[in-house]
Amino acid sequence: DAKTTQPPSMDCAEGRAANLPCNHSTISGNEYVYWYRQIHSQGPQYIIHGLKNNETNEMASLIITEDRKSSTLILPHATLRDTAVYYCIGGQGAQKLVFGQGTRLTINP
Amino acid sequence: GAVVSQHPSWVICKSGTSVKIECRSLDFQATTMFWYRQFPKQSLMLMATSNEGSKATYEQGVEKDKFLINHASLTLSTLTVTSAHPEDSSFYICSARVSKRDRHNYGYTFGSGTRLTVV
Repeated sequence: DAKTTQPPSMDCAEGRAANLPCNHSTISGNEYVYWYRQIHSQGPQYIIHGLKNNETNEMASLIITEDRKSSTLILPHATLRDTAVYYCIGGQGAQKLVFGQGTRLTINP
Repeated sequence: GAVVSQHPSWVICKSGTSVKIECRSLDFQATTMFWYRQFPKQSLMLMATSNEGSKATYEQGVEKDKFLINHASLTLSTLTVTSAHPEDSSFYICSARVSKRDRHNYGYTFGSGTRLTVV
């Protein structure tokens, strides 16, 4: 599994876009980039994943650089309920997901 | 989407007793499940990978005799913490490899976790 690096914490104002960066310079060509988040005392929740192309769903957008060494998760209009720890993980196929330390995102009113 | 039900959500037990945690896939078959442990303000730490019908694969440093994993069916994996001690108090989370894919859940889905407190 690719090792990922994320800032330990970030703050964002409610209603603004939250941009969470992730470095995964060792990711292999067939490894996906997964994003999960964990709200206090709950199991992780799937957000989005991607391989090469940028992706968007109802929760977020994922921008992956052309060299695939980094990506950015974008929450377009952050709300207080988006306060959580966000994990960026490199994974492939039936491999286990190994979590890093993640980014603790705090949305401020 | 694919849902994993984890039970109980919390448990308090006496030191020296054993506790069983169940993880069920509700609307899909999970040939592979994963068990994680999480201490306060720390990330999830993978303990073991459980495969239906075969022995679990434990991560380095995890005592297989203490954390017994059984994956007897395609929808159920259990983690038994044997002879629990206060240092085993933690948040335990299971995850399943999703065999069907939909836009809400791709690859892996997680249970809601079990808060174990050993007194």
